[in-house]
Amino acid sequence: KAGVTQTPRYLIKTRGQQVTLSCSPISGHRSVSWYQQTPGQGLQFLFEYFSETQRNKGNFPGRFSGRQFSNSRSEMNVSTLELGDSALYLCASSADQETQYFGPGTRLLVL
Amino acid sequence: AQSVTQLGSHVSVSEGALVLLRCNYSSSVPPYLFWYVQYPNQGLQLLLKYTTGATLVKGINGFEAEFKKSETSFHLTKPSAHMSDAAEYFCAVSGSGGGADGLTFGKGTHLIIQP
Repeated sequence: KAGVTQTPRYLIKTRGQQVTLSCSPISGHRSVSWYQQTPGQGLQFLFEYFSETQRNKGNFPGRFSGRQFSNSRSEMNVSTLELGDSALYLCASSADQETQYFGPGTRLLVL
Repeated sequence: AQSVTQLGSHVSVSEGALVLLRCNYSSSVPPYLFWYVQYPNQGLQLLLKYTTGATLVKGINGFEAEFKKSETSFHLTKPSAHMSDAAEYFCAVSGSGGGADGLTFGKGTHLIIQP
């Protein structure tokens, strides 16, 4: 089976812009989670979607949002980008609510 | 609420020596515990997990970990280090409800292998 894929792999944006990142889960996985990884804060949970519904959300401002489509693919959006949003954004999928498998990530640089 | 503490942001061992990476957790519910490895410019790869049952779990690449409830620990070991083991290792915990709650990660331990 193909693994979790994320597009794009690298992205450069300027402050104030918005960005959309995409994640395709492993075939058959209905749960998709998003994480932010930064040198200062480490890995932090953003939100989790299952069958197009957001079930849980981490402690991030409303500028961070996401959605999931009927084919389980997911997107996350960050509006009004700030310098501190520069990070590696990781998507993970799960079939059993238990084990999460991660994609390679999208590295976002905000200038 | 859950938390994970990884003792030692950097651990250096000689090739062929024992690898021991420490992880302590706190959880208000029975935990699910995970170790992930991250190579430069890559995502996280699952090494092993503990959910229920046998407390000594074996993973990929010769790694294993033991869940010790009384010590709230889940240390990762490998009998003989290889140069290819050099990477960042993350311990993570989730509630027994699984992925919906999200994983809580430790800060990570950078493993350095000396030739």
